[in-house]
Amino acid sequence: DADVTQTPRNRITKTGKRIMLECSQTKGHDRMYWYRQDPGLGLRLIYYSFDVKDINKGEISDGYSVSRQAQAKFSLSLESAIPNQTALYFCATSDGQGVNQPQHFGDGTRLSIL
Amino acid sequence: QKEVEQDPGPLSVPEGAIVSLNCTYSNSAFQYFMWYRQYSRKGPELLMYTYSSGNKEDGRFTAQVDKSSKYISLFIRDSQPSDSATYLCAIYRYSSASKIIFGSGTRLSIRP
Repeated sequence: DADVTQTPRNRITKTGKRIMLECSQTKGHDRMYWYRQDPGLGLRLIYYSFDVKDINKGEISDGYSVSRQAQAKFSLSLESAIPNQTALYFCATSDGQGVNQPQHFGDGTRLSIL
Repeated sequence: QKEVEQDPGPLSVPEGAIVSLNCTYSNSAFQYFMWYRQYSRKGPELLMYTYSSGNKEDGRFTAQVDKSSKYISLFIRDSQPSDSATYLCAIYRYSSASKIIFGSGTRLSIRP
């Protein structure tokens, strides 16, 4: 089984709908992250959480919200989806800060907003 | 100006060739430099990291950093079809709120 599991893997929905992407991990890491990946723009950080009671905005948090339900679960919500939120979304975890504590990524959710 | 720039490719080379992947960054305060590999329909995985100028070798892979010119490279020797993937450079500066900044990735294809 994957250490970082994202659901769903693919989702197509309409403008204005509320969407929730879920991430669960079995690595026991405290830190969890949500990124989106767009062609030509690379990975951009949406939100991150260093523990259950800690939530921080990343560089592109507008239009998104998150919930850290437990150490192992971190969900990303789009309250009212819009077409420019069409992207590949990744959840990641890490055991601490620094390059010797690498981020471990899930396999992504491909989200299309029509 | 983006903090890290990377040529998106695609780059296609024959099996056995030496591959050179490159990035430039703008802020000399960045201390750590990483390369992630991302296979199709998979998340990125850390390939190598370094924090000093010079070379770091790991098997067929060599990461090179030139801090004076703010230039980082990844060399792949004896390239294999299994090396076909997107390679993302990433930079990092240690602080209380530090985050990794990723390049946009270079798509590499190794032809058998």
